Amino acid sequence: GAGVSQSPSNKVTEKGKDVELRCDPISGHTALYWYRQSLGQGLEFLIYFQGNSAPDKSGLPSDRFSAERTGGSVSTLTIQRTQQEDSAVYLCASSQRGGEGYGYTFGSGTRLTVV
Amino acid sequence: QKEVEQNSGPLSVPEGAIASLNCTYSDRGSQSFFWYRQYSGKSPELIMSIYSNGDKEDGRFTAQLNKASQYVSLLIRDSQPSDSATYLCAVPRPMDSSYKLIFGSGTRLLVRP
Repeated sequence: GAGVSQSPSNKVTEKGKDVELRCDPISGHTALYWYRQSLGQGLEFLIYFQGNSAPDKSGLPSDRFSAERTGGSVSTLTIQRTQQEDSAVYLCASSQRGGEGYGYTFGSGTRLTVV
Repeated sequence: QKEVEQNSGPLSVPEGAIASLNCTYSDRGSQSFFWYRQYSGKSPELIMSIYSNGDKEDGRFTAQLNKASQYVSLLIRDSQPSDSATYLCAVPRPMDSSYKLIFGSGTRLLVRP
C-alpha cells in the first residue's frame, strides 16, 4: 500500500478483555516495528520484525502482550486481559529494511482505551 | 543519563523567525540521526535524516550534526504557524541488532502569528 495502515483507529475495551491491533506495512518493507505512546509521554519500543521473525521483543511490557507477522506483511499485536495502564496510542512503523540508516514511516495509530 | 535528550519546551518563536531545536545523545557509536514532526493527535512524520558531520539542508529545514559533541540540531527558517508541533529526535542504538530508533521526549514548538 501507499502508506502504513492500522486498524482499528480507535478501540474502547473493558478491563480484562483481549484486543487485537492490526498493521499493514508499506509494500516491500521488510522491517516492521510496534511502539506505543501514552498520553504526554514519549515513544516506547515494543517489538521489531524482520520478515516474519521477531529478533527483538525486548520492549513487550509483559507476557500479556504478543505479536506476530505473516507473509512478511501484516502484523497483529495482541493484548490479553487488558489493564487500564495499557491505554495508549499503539503505533506501527515500517522501514525498507532493518538496519542503520533507515528511517521509519509510521501508521496513524490505534488509540486504545481500557475502561 | 537518557539515551536521547531534548528540551521539552515549549519553544515559542514569532512567525518568520528561525527556530532552533536541539538534541543530545549518549552513545558515541550512533551513526544515523532522524527528526520527526508530530502534530497534536497525529503520528510522527519523518522530516529529516543526517548521517555525516555538518549541515544538511532541505527546503526551510537544516539538520546539523556534531558527532564529537554528540549533538544534533534542527533549524527551521522562516517559521510558520503550521510548523507548530512537537519535534522528536531519534537515534538507533548501535549495539542493537534491530537498530530500533530511540526517541527523545520531543520539543514542543509554538510559532506565534
